[in-house]
Amino acid sequence: AQSVTQPDIHITVSEGASLELRCNYSYGATPYLFWYVQSPGQGLQLLLKYFSGDTLVQGIKGFEAEFKRSQSSFNLRKPSVHWSDAAEYFCAPGGFSGGYNKLIFGAGTRLAVHP
Amino acid sequence: NAGVTQTPKFQVLKTGQSMTLQCAQDMNHEYMSWYRQDPGMGLRLIHYSVGAGITDQGEVPNGYNVSRSTTEDFPLRLLSAAPSQTSVYFCASSYSNGNSYNEQFFGPGTRLTVL
Repeated sequence: AQSVTQPDIHITVSEGASLELRCNYSYGATPYLFWYVQSPGQGLQLLLKYFSGDTLVQGIKGFEAEFKRSQSSFNLRKPSVHWSDAAEYFCAPGGFSGGYNKLIFGAGTRLAVHP
Repeated sequence: NAGVTQTPKFQVLKTGQSMTLQCAQDMNHEYMSWYRQDPGMGLRLIHYSVGAGITDQGEVPNGYNVSRSTTEDFPLRLLSAAPSQTSVYFCASSYSNGNSYNEQFFGPGTRLTVL
């Protein structure tokens, strides 16, 4: 069965510290991989995506993610966190199945940033 | 472009009442979807559509109906609301360019409470 795991429900970091959010997936084939961010009371915004090619992908707001096929992981990183990064982050593998783009969402990681 | 719009933003219903959540997109996207978001569970797919007149069930379809008479609109109907349907509902759309995956764009959400 297809699934995605975000092991960390809550993470707290200090402003300026580095960040890594973990994502592991179980999928029949190599899926397309996405990270979305949701600020409080808002909808979801795409941070970055991996379809193929270079396994290190750059996104908006200074985020990057690395696809590791051997570990079935797609971890999100940022070298220096800003207070405005406080939000909930969702990893979502997807695939084109039955004529439709299907996404599976992780449970999310809520990030708090201390000044 | 307004992107994906949803109305209302907030709604309170009593058990047994019916209502329709509205979703519209102005990007001429063929694919549209409805998700619900519950704490600790990420987003789960309710129903989706691959084009006008074509809909299908997602992961959690029970208690919800959809129809797609136009490319732009994809309303979600609750025929007899239950407290278990208290959730935040997101509509999303994406385009199709054949046999490949394209990112989904999300609306701002509707927060529904069923008493």
